[in-house]
Amino acid sequence: KNQVEQSPQSLIILEGKNCTLQCNYTVSPFSNLRWYKQDTGRGPVSLTIMTFSENTKSNGRYTATLDADTKQSSLHITASQLSDSASYICVVSLNNNDMRFGAGTRLTVKP
Amino acid sequence: GAVVSQHPSWVICKSGTSVKIECRSLDFQATTMFWYRQFPKQSLMLMATSNEGSKATYEQGVEKDKFLINHASLTLSTLTVTSAHPEDSSFYICSANQGAWTEAFFGQGTRLTVV
Repeated sequence: KNQVEQSPQSLIILEGKNCTLQCNYTVSPFSNLRWYKQDTGRGPVSLTIMTFSENTKSNGRYTATLDADTKQSSLHITASQLSDSASYICVVSLNNNDMRFGAGTRLTVKP
Repeated sequence: GAVVSQHPSWVICKSGTSVKIECRSLDFQATTMFWYRQFPKQSLMLMATSNEGSKATYEQGVEKDKFLINHASLTLSTLTVTSAHPEDSSFYICSANQGAWTEAFFGQGTRLTVV
């Protein structure tokens, strides 16, 4: 069973709309949680990184939240653009720097 | 952020031949590099962890004699797919850390097609 579960698996939204992606994890001991954006055929690019004590972090139109008690994180994208079409991957790191990857959410933004 | 460069970005090879993929950290020294494989519509799967100057640690199910990893310097790790088969066709991605518990930076990936 994957220790990092992402939902939805895929999502289609219209340009300009907002959306929220979910990440639930069971891994421990927790070190940090990262959200990556991966364009098709490219390597992942870091969007945000949050440690145990951080509840929210923003990077432009991307805002990530973390609830370490419930082991849930979300990535909110505001005013979506066509270039936001990509896979968004949640990665949880353990204290030994071992990283566990979610399967990703495939976002498609349509005009 | 730091830059990790992979080369080549894509390669087509014949069955039975070997292919070498390079992963370079351009502006920092990477004590640890990771190699991943990604199949279509799936997440990254860790293949091995490479530490400079020592043998790589392979994940369960990954053949170390087939996927040769060399991390001879703090800025370069190579993955060689030996005796490639069509089922080895995949997207291979490396990542590098400057040190333990630091940010991981990913290369742009290499699309391998074995015909």
